Amino acid sequence: SQQGEEDPQALSIQEGENATMNCSYKTSINNLQWYRQNSGRGLVHLILIRSNEREKHSGRLRVTLDTSKKSSSLLITASRAADTASYFCATDRNTNAGKSTFGDGTTLTVKP
Amino acid sequence: NAGVTQTPKFQVLKTGQSMTLQCAQDMNHNSMYWYRQDPGMGLRLIYYSASEGTTDKGEVPNGYNVSRLNKREFSLRLESAAPSQTSVYFCASSEVISNQPQHFGDGTRLSIL
Repeated sequence: SQQGEEDPQALSIQEGENATMNCSYKTSINNLQWYRQNSGRGLVHLILIRSNEREKHSGRLRVTLDTSKKSSSLLITASRAADTASYFCATDRNTNAGKSTFGDGTTLTVKP
Repeated sequence: NAGVTQTPKFQVLKTGQSMTLQCAQDMNHNSMYWYRQDPGMGLRLIYYSASEGTTDKGEVPNGYNVSRLNKREFSLRLESAAPSQTSVYFCASSEVISNQPQHFGDGTRLSIL
């Protein structure tokens, strides 16, 4: 079964609104990463958060990690049409160096 | 700066044919990966190479072989293609094997009839 599972599967918002997507995982991790994938393209790395960190920011992105609940969230503030993409979380576990496990993604649509 | 380059971008094969997908990175990364992505799903790891000269199986290695030709290049071979291998294949690289972001190519869209 997938280590990381995103929620919701799809999200549609208006430009200017905030978008929140969540990732849950099952076993202890070294780090959790968020990636964006535009249609027909490869994944682009957004943020890496380590297991001893609780929150990280990058521009309009905010990622939180709650290891007690085995969950992470990605918040995109003041969304733009260009943020329309699929977003994936990926987890690296202590015992599986190199074997990042990806969830099935959240498809975000931002309407102009 | 090209990053990760995959060739070809598209390919159609008949069942039983063989082919090699090529991947090259120009970031001097030590680690490289091959994934497949099926419609509406995340990526599944096929094989990876922690460093030049080493390769290891990922989650779904059956039906595939890999070669880490040198530090830059990591190829994926389908010896006898099957319709179940129809997918989009992504190559990625990272500085080292753990706790590093991966950089992805734009994929090879492979259809097997």
